[in-house]
Amino acid sequence: DSGVTQTPKHLITATGQRVTLRCSPRSGDLSVYWYQQSLDQGLQFLIHYYNGEERAKGNILERFSAQQFPDLHSELNLSSLELGDSALYFCASSVAGGRHTQYFGPGTRLTVL
Amino acid sequence: GESVGLHLPTLSVQEGDNSIINCAYSNSASDYFIWYKQESGKGPQFIIDIRSNMDKRQGQRVTVLLNKTVKHLSLQIAATQPGDSAVYFCAEIKAGANSKLTFGKGITLSVRP
Repeated sequence: DSGVTQTPKHLITATGQRVTLRCSPRSGDLSVYWYQQSLDQGLQFLIHYYNGEERAKGNILERFSAQQFPDLHSELNLSSLELGDSALYFCASSVAGGRHTQYFGPGTRLTVL
Repeated sequence: GESVGLHLPTLSVQEGDNSIINCAYSNSASDYFIWYKQESGKGPQFIIDIRSNMDKRQGQRVTVLLNKTVKHLSLQIAATQPGDSAVYFCAEIKAGANSKLTFGKGITLSVRP
């Protein structure tokens, strides 16, 4: 158990819908990262927040957004969902940014029908 | 652009043998290289990392070797056990606070009893 929690574990929805994925980092960690894992693209970095502020963006679509709240939990919002958005979404946390070890949560499996 | 990639998609080893998982990277500016293990249905789990100014680092039953001349990273697992069966990812990152972790495609390690 990494100490990072994610909810829900599974999510099934239809195209065009909007969903919110939630992540609680390890106690004491200020950085939260979101990744997408699909069979053809592997693990892709989406976005990084540190203590409530966005720090870095990766290949995140404009339909996707995220935020980190004062209690340091984070939410990833996916809207206008498409079939290709079906994937595993992982949250990771670390003490700070940069080289500090990232600890991953168990992921949310999103299925768009 | 920069990329981190793995030579082989799958590796099958006999229980008790040593395993060697290889990875090639192209970004010579990376400061840290990391190995993650992902078991079925779980998020990636940190195994070991190595700083770019080192050649070798040992952990419990694992050793990471870094050859900067040929931009090659390897993970050696001693006395491979059934519990080592998983997908292994190499990743790289620069030291900056806003840098992102870039993952390779992943290799499946299968341990034969």
